[in-house]
Amino acid sequence: QSVLTQPPSASGTPGQRVTISCSGSSSNIGSNTVNWYQQLPGTAPKLISSNNERPSGVPDRFSGSKSGTSASLAISGLQSEDEADYYCAAWDDRQNGVVFGGGTKLTVL
Amino acid sequence: EVQLVESGGGLVKPGGSLRLSCAASGFTFSTYNMNWVRQAPGKGLEWVSSISSISSYVYYADSVKGRLTISRDNAKNSLYLQMSSLRADDTAIYYCARGRAHYYSFRENWFDPWGQGTLVTVSS
Repeated sequence: QSVLTQPPSASGTPGQRVTISCSGSSSNIGSNTVNWYQQLPGTAPKLISSNNERPSGVPDRFSGSKSGTSASLAISGLQSEDEADYYCAAWDDRQNGVVFGGGTKLTVL
Repeated sequence: EVQLVESGGGLVKPGGSLRLSCAASGFTFSTYNMNWVRQAPGKGLEWVSSISSISSYVYYADSVKGRLTISRDNAKNSLYLQMSSLRADDTAIYYCARGRAHYYSFRENWFDPWGQGTLVTVSS
């Protein structure tokens, strides 16, 4: 059971906008930076969003946001190469460490 | 180009020990916090441990506390994970990941970039 809660799966067709949610609590999302990672099949994860900022090189189709104890990752103009697992993560003040969501498998239909 | 290359993984018996290494290049290693994250086969990501730039602060997941020890050698641009009393549920790919620069709090930490990972298999 992950501390952060994500839907196990999401899907969309090319060109669509999809949103992946991440629910936490006041000790993690509510008070600390929320990061999103993309893991393409067979590869190491990659940082794609930190709160509402994108690292250099990440397409502006990816957009992270946070409100209260929840966060979300929006992907617009969905492309086939976006098919991957997506994880949210944040520092947790109670556990004194990083907690991850269980991951969301995104399928591009 | 920032590079992180893990090594030291392999097959070890339950109760055994292993030392993982992560060689860093392309950035000033001594000014960044560093991290280990693992992924069991077919499962999600699990944070293992973090260490500050000059080893002042170390943090561990409860699942590894007392058995795994993170350390670094800034003169050698290397991060380590000493693993002991290994159990079957420690079987995973272990990734080394750079954190944020030393002046950031761990509450603002991220993992970027990641190494390619090294597989640790605990089995008799």
